[in-house]
Amino acid sequence: GENVEQHPSTLSVQEGDSAVIKCTYSDSASNYFPWYKQELGKRPQLIIDIRSNVGEKKDQRIAVTLNKTAKHFSLHITETQPEDSAVYFCAGGYSTLTFGKGTMLLVSP
Amino acid sequence: NAGVTQTPKFQVLKTGQSMTLQCAQDMNHEYMSWYRQDPGMGLRLIHYSVGAGITDQGEVPNGYNVSRSTTEDFPLRLLSAAPSQTSVYFCASSSGLVSYEQYFGPGTRLTVT
Repeated sequence: GENVEQHPSTLSVQEGDSAVIKCTYSDSASNYFPWYKQELGKRPQLIIDIRSNVGEKKDQRIAVTLNKTAKHFSLHITETQPEDSAVYFCAGGYSTLTFGKGTMLLVSP
Repeated sequence: NAGVTQTPKFQVLKTGQSMTLQCAQDMNHEYMSWYRQDPGMGLRLIHYSVGAGITDQGEVPNGYNVSRSTTEDFPLRLLSAAPSQTSVYFCASSSGLVSYEQYFGPGTRLTVT
């Protein structure tokens, strides 16, 4: 089955800096890669996703890039704000989703 | 719309007890899934359903049963609870199995002593 690895497990940045979270996947058949944000005690919520026929997607301060050859994809958050502090999960798959273990992002004012 | 709802929010069980976690959605989604979330482990798929009457196993199905008699409801049954099943359980629904946003419920925090 699919195996998704996510790094780093924790990431601390200053407000206004950029943050990058990276994931790799093992199954070349995977064709959908979403990113979910989970605030403390809350449910995961989709923030951005990318399909295998696209190399990059952007939504305001958030962007995702996908390299199918290398089987890795990344989340980029620019101009980070304290409210970006949360756990971020990447996921990938083609019939079911496999999630990474998460990255705790801490944005200090 | 209420979206995806789960009951109960919290539950404590003794080893060997059984219980059912309830999940319902009002978005007319065909696809529903159950995940468990453990510290440092991400979300792991337990069982999923592609429509009423159709279920399949995910990554960690042992000790759990599911059924899907209606589009709206997808209960998860713990047959004989074990401490290893202490976790937060999330139900999710979506328009499609993979390439569509999954809407998660608020979660059930289960402790097995």
